[in-house]
Amino acid sequence: LAKTTQPISMDSYEGQEVNITCSHNNIATNDYITWYQQFPSQGPRFIIQGYKTKVTNEVASLFIPADRKSSTLSLPRVSLSDTAVYYCLVGDHTGRRALTFGSGTRLQVQP
Amino acid sequence: GAVVSQHPSWVICKSGTSVKIECRSLDFQATTMFWYRQFPKQSLMLMATSNEGSKATYEQGVEKDKFLINHASLTLSTLTVTSAHPEDSSFYICSARDPGEHSKNIQYFGAGTRLSVL
Repeated sequence: LAKTTQPISMDSYEGQEVNITCSHNNIATNDYITWYQQFPSQGPRFIIQGYKTKVTNEVASLFIPADRKSSTLSLPRVSLSDTAVYYCLVGDHTGRRALTFGSGTRLQVQP
Repeated sequence: GAVVSQHPSWVICKSGTSVKIECRSLDFQATTMFWYRQFPKQSLMLMATSNEGSKATYEQGVEKDKFLINHASLTLSTLTVTSAHPEDSSFYICSARDPGEHSKNIQYFGAGTRLSVL
């Protein structure tokens, strides 16, 4: 399973754009990159998933370079409610194997 | 997205008793569900993979006789913590994958169960 490395924590202010980068040097050809958000005492919530290039949805963008050895989650104009732990996970598309969680990035948004 | 329901959300029990946690996929069928445990300020740790109609697969170091998993239907998996002790106090979370082709291995998580063993 591809291991992921993320910054342990990040700080930001309301209204700013936040970019969280994840390294996954051993990503396999069939692996997708998925990001989850977790609030205290809640289960992780799906944010976005991608395979290559750029993916955008209503809450975030995911940038994946051509070599796919890293990815960047971009949160536009964060608010206080975006304070959470963000996990980057890599796994194949079959879903038969569980996702392996790394340490995640604790984002603190201040007013 | 798909919905995974987990119940109860919080349980307190006496040491030595057993506790059952339910995980249901509400709008899809899940042949495979996963159980995680999370201690405060730590990441999720996979405990076991629950397979419908067959035995669960446990991760190394997880006692299968203590954490009984039953996946009797395509929408329900249960985790029973037997003879619970204070060290079993933790946050237990289940997940299931929506097998629909559009989902591309997106796993959906329950809200979690906070277990406190006195």
